Amino acid sequence: DTGVSQNPRHKITKRGQNVTFRCDPISEHNRLYWYRQTLGQGPEFLTYFQNEAQLEKSRLLSDRFSAERPKGSFSTLEIQRTEQGDSAMYLCASSLLAASSYEQYFGPGTRLTVT
Amino acid sequence: GQNIDQPTEMTATEGAIVQINCTYQTSGFNGLFWYQQHAGEAPTFLSYNVLDGLEEKGRFSSFLSRSKGYSYLLLKELQMKDSASYLCAVRDRGYQKVTFGTGTKLQVIP
Repeated sequence: DTGVSQNPRHKITKRGQNVTFRCDPISEHNRLYWYRQTLGQGPEFLTYFQNEAQLEKSRLLSDRFSAERPKGSFSTLEIQRTEQGDSAMYLCASSLLAASSYEQYFGPGTRLTVT
Repeated sequence: GQNIDQPTEMTATEGAIVQINCTYQTSGFNGLFWYQQHAGEAPTFLSYNVLDGLEEKGRFSSFLSRSKGYSYLLLKELQMKDSASYLCAVRDRGYQKVTFGTGTKLQVIP
């Protein structure tokens, strides 16, 4: 396992369509995070899982966004009825539940363009 | 919540030293990260400070003062490949949520 992987790397969709992204974390990592990043900004926290439990969700996340991690391994992020403002890079990161392991390892991201 | 401030852009010369500052105001604090992000790529971890003082790791050092809500990243012997954005991020007390600043875009010139 060489790192966090995300699919697809790029997604172009029309406004109003639903999209789903997948994240495969580093195999032994039990924490998984989703972020959104727009040009010139830092990553913005969306949600966080510990194993299969979604423990925190940003107040900025509308009801159109939903994330799952059904077996505590891979995760999916779905955006329903996409809007042009959803265009961004969606980053996934994982980390290990251990006192000294605070580092989050990021995947390459999925770039979403809503036309 | 968290409020993180860092300069938007900096320029430095190859071989020189540059210091990137970060100030934060938080409702809870459990550590501060620095990440490097090259254009079009994912962030990569540089350092994590939870106690006051200087942490040195090769050409990169990071300093934290919790009482002042202040950190800096020091890059020595700058190389062209150091041209990137440098993200300061704060970890909430008791939570795993990490809040990132907007990043400082560093340009290294010959």
